[in-house]
Amino acid sequence: GEDVEQSLFLSVREGDSSVINCTYTDSSSTYLYWYKQEPGAGLQLLTYIFSNMDMKQDQRLTVLLNKKDKHLSLRIADTQTGDSAIYFCAETFRDDKIIFGKGTRLHILP
Amino acid sequence: ETGVTQSPTHLIKTRGQQVTLRCSSQSGHNTVSWYQQALGQGPQFIFQYYREEENGRGNFPPRFSGLQFPNYSSELNVNALELDDSALYLCASSLTLNEQFFGPGTRLTVL
Repeated sequence: GEDVEQSLFLSVREGDSSVINCTYTDSSSTYLYWYKQEPGAGLQLLTYIFSNMDMKQDQRLTVLLNKKDKHLSLRIADTQTGDSAIYFCAETFRDDKIIFGKGTRLHILP
Repeated sequence: ETGVTQSPTHLIKTRGQQVTLRCSSQSGHNTVSWYQQALGQGPQFIFQYYREEENGRGNFPPRFSGLQFPNYSSELNVNALELDDSALYLCASSLTLNEQFFGPGTRLTVL
C-alpha cells in the first residue's frame, strides 16, 4: 500500500541539529522529497534526493537515504527559530504521483 | 517570474453545493497537480493534468473533476459538497514530476 510514516512532533533547542526521520513504502520510488510548510502557507520544496543516491547536502540541510530499510532522514544543522514549521516527507509512487507523510511539527526551544 | 497562484484564498459553502477552485501555474510549467490537505494531515493527491489531459488520479470520487486550459492554468471542481470536503486545496505546477512548486492553497469550509 501507499504509506509514508514519520513521527508527528520534534522539539529541538535553538543552535542544535534537528533530525527528522521518515519511512516510505515503494522501493521503486524514483525521488524522495522534503517539504516545509509554515502556518497558513503552501508547501515549499526544501530538497529532494534521487533514489540512486545515499546522501545529499545543501547548506544546512543533509538528506540521508537508506534504500534497504526504506528510511529517509533530514538533518537541519544549527536550527533557527525560522525553521519552526511542519516538515513533510514524500515519495513518488510508481512514478505517477507524490505520496506525502502526515508531517513532523518541528518546535524550537530557546 | 510569478509563482503559482490560487483563488480564492478562502471559501465557505454548504453541503450539496458545487465549488470551483482556480490555479495559475508558474510560467512555462505544463503540468498541474491538485492535492487535498485535511487538518493535521499531509496532502493527498487528487489528480494531475498534463497539456490539458488528465494524467493520473488518486482515490477521489468522480464528483472531483478538473480542467486544464491552453495557458496551463487549471480548475478543480467539486460537486455535491460534503462536510469532509473541508480542507486546504493545494495546486502545484511543474515541468517534471520531481520538482513541483506549490501555491498557497484555497481553504474550503463546508457547513
